[in-house]
Amino acid sequence: EADIYQTPRYLVIGTGKKITLECSQTMGHDKMYWYQQDPGMELHLIHYSYGVNSTEKGDLSSESTVSRIRTEHFPLTLESARPSHTSQYLCASSEYRPVTDSGPYFTDTQYFGPGTRLTVL
Amino acid sequence: AQKVTQAQTEISVVEKEDVTLDCVYETRDTTYYLFWYKQPPSGELVFLIRRNSFDEQNEISGRYSWNFQKSTSSFNFTITASQVVDSAVYFCALSDTSGTYKYIFGTGTRLKVLA
Repeated sequence: EADIYQTPRYLVIGTGKKITLECSQTMGHDKMYWYQQDPGMELHLIHYSYGVNSTEKGDLSSESTVSRIRTEHFPLTLESARPSHTSQYLCASSEYRPVTDSGPYFTDTQYFGPGTRLTVL
Repeated sequence: AQKVTQAQTEISVVEKEDVTLDCVYETRDTTYYLFWYKQPPSGELVFLIRRNSFDEQNEISGRYSWNFQKSTSSFNFTITASQVVDSAVYFCALSDTSGTYKYIFGTGTRLKVLA
């Protein structure tokens, strides 16, 4: 199981401000992910990374950007926050590893942080 | 295309009742992985179980059990003798095995267990 941390847990900020949501994991997982979750519950992948200096955009277009300079750290930045960015942001990490009890197969279980609830006024 | 359907948006039960949460998936992959996560009101997603497509054995963990049936593309989750602490949103997910290993999440089922 991963130890994965997100700060801040709650953030209320005015329109136009630059914000960075922090995500760190201590398990040395190579893959990390950012999801956006609106009050309607559905999860949307907005960014992911397979390792240091690797970042990709997810399935949902987002104005945010990410960086992966260290394995354990995957911050998300909004250059100019807007009310439409109000949402919960969930960070996750995973490790590609063999399923040792079931033959030559691999799996990649994602473990999630506690989330950041962002409100932009 | 891959898809996960959780048709039950919200379920309410009285404490001690059994409840089953449905999950139906679509995939063309022959090897894939299915997951269940719990999201309590605090917001984090808690991993519950992973099931590999080549292993159809059902699993029981305490009051939780999972029924995986490839013939009907379903991976249902049953809570026996539900408790108030089981109140949460539950997500089913399918792992993309194309190499990206991204997850396809269902839309979630909100379970309310009433005392």
